[in-house]
Amino acid sequence: EIVLTQSPGTLSLSPGERATLSCRANQSVSSSNLAWYQQKPGQAPRILIYGASSRATGIPDRFSGSASGTDFTLTISRLEPEDFAVYYCQQYGSSFTFGGGTKVEIK
Amino acid sequence: QVQLVESGGGVVQPGRSLRLSCAASGFTFSSYGMHWVRQAPGKGLEWVAVISYDGSNKYYADSVKGRFTISRDNSKNTLYLQMNTLRAEDTAVYYCATNRRYFHLWDPFDPWGQGTLVTVSS
Repeated sequence: EIVLTQSPGTLSLSPGERATLSCRANQSVSSSNLAWYQQKPGQAPRILIYGASSRATGIPDRFSGSASGTDFTLTISRLEPEDFAVYYCQQYGSSFTFGGGTKVEIK
Repeated sequence: QVQLVESGGGVVQPGRSLRLSCAASGFTFSSYGMHWVRQAPGKGLEWVAVISYDGSNKYYADSVKGRFTISRDNSKNTLYLQMNTLRAEDTAVYYCATNRRYFHLWDPFDPWGQGTLVTVSS
């Protein structure tokens, strides 16, 4: 089973700052089958990034994804007030697994 | 627009059964793989099961294998999750979600329904 480990657990930042979220897999994720989701309290998750680096429809370009081997990164270039939420990575190349999540909170 | 509406959640005693439904609209339901994902209170996301667009392939998380059954009725644009022998640890919000691309099985989830809460308690 592919296990995804997200870090940090919580990220305390101010609006306008840059956020860098990490997701590490314990083995290769085939064809960069890695997605990122955002979840706000009381809401369903919504997709941000798929294929490790492709933005989903309607996602602002301040969100970007990258990959290096088994390490994946979600970057939010300048945090907007609506970006404070929990973020999950997911692999969908070998069954489906989610990371434990990173909460981005207002400092 | 695409809409997924879950129903069937509620409070159920341990060992009993429950069936969840997910009504789909706004897209060609019969062309997309569909998933159930759950989230225990205050916890992260856990994938539960997937069914292919035509119902011919089904896969489950180990935690529910042998107890839960995913199915679909393409004539009714509805996805189901039959949950048997429920345990306290099955307590969660259950979301249905569709694959991003038609006919694909191994695909990210886009979009998701709003979820239905299942509470297993005596």
